[in-house]
Amino acid sequence: DAKTTQPNSMESNEEEPVHLPCNHSTISGTDYIHWYRQLPSQGPEYVIHGLTSNVNNRMASLAIAEDRKSSTLILHRATLRDAAVYYCILRDVAGGGADGLTFGKGTHLIIQP
Amino acid sequence: NAGVTQTPKFQVLKTGQSMTLQCAQDMNHEYMSWYRQDPGMGLRLIHYSVGAGITDQGEVPNGYNVSRSTTEDFPLRLLSAAPSQTSVYFCASRAPGQHNSPLHFGNGTRLTVT
Repeated sequence: DAKTTQPNSMESNEEEPVHLPCNHSTISGTDYIHWYRQLPSQGPEYVIHGLTSNVNNRMASLAIAEDRKSSTLILHRATLRDAAVYYCILRDVAGGGADGLTFGKGTHLIIQP
Repeated sequence: NAGVTQTPKFQVLKTGQSMTLQCAQDMNHEYMSWYRQDPGMGLRLIHYSVGAGITDQGEVPNGYNVSRSTTEDFPLRLLSAAPSQTSVYFCASRAPGQHNSPLHFGNGTRLTVT
């Protein structure tokens, strides 16, 4: 499975934008880029996913580099409730069965009031 | 909406005991899976099921059994608990026929084996 590299932790201030980077230099053509987050004492929660084009939803935006070797999750206006571990995951939709979700250690996002 | 429900939330076992972690979903999802998460680590896939009557092994299946007799339920059985199975266990499901659809996770069962 193609791997992703994320910083261990990042810190930001409340009500400011946050850009969470992810490197995936060995991404294949059938890999989608998924982001999940895990709040303290909860299960992971889906945030957003994309293939080639930038994506927006109510939670965040996903900016994907033209060569697809990196991506950035953007929280436009962070709140204290956004403090969580954020996972960048490559999901091979050409594969079957096991689902292909490999969770690394993610980025621990700290939000300062 | 209940989503994915896991019970119990917490459990303490002695080495050698057996138990079943329950997982139920009310979204008519065909795909269900079990993960474990150890301190400071990402999640690792234990077993998964693509529909009733079908199960398969994930990355770390040893010491665990699963069955899928209904679409709604996917219990995880520990046959003889070991301290190495101390972990937080998460159940997840996703919509049928959409391999790229998001996973929905429960809030976990925190298991301690002494």
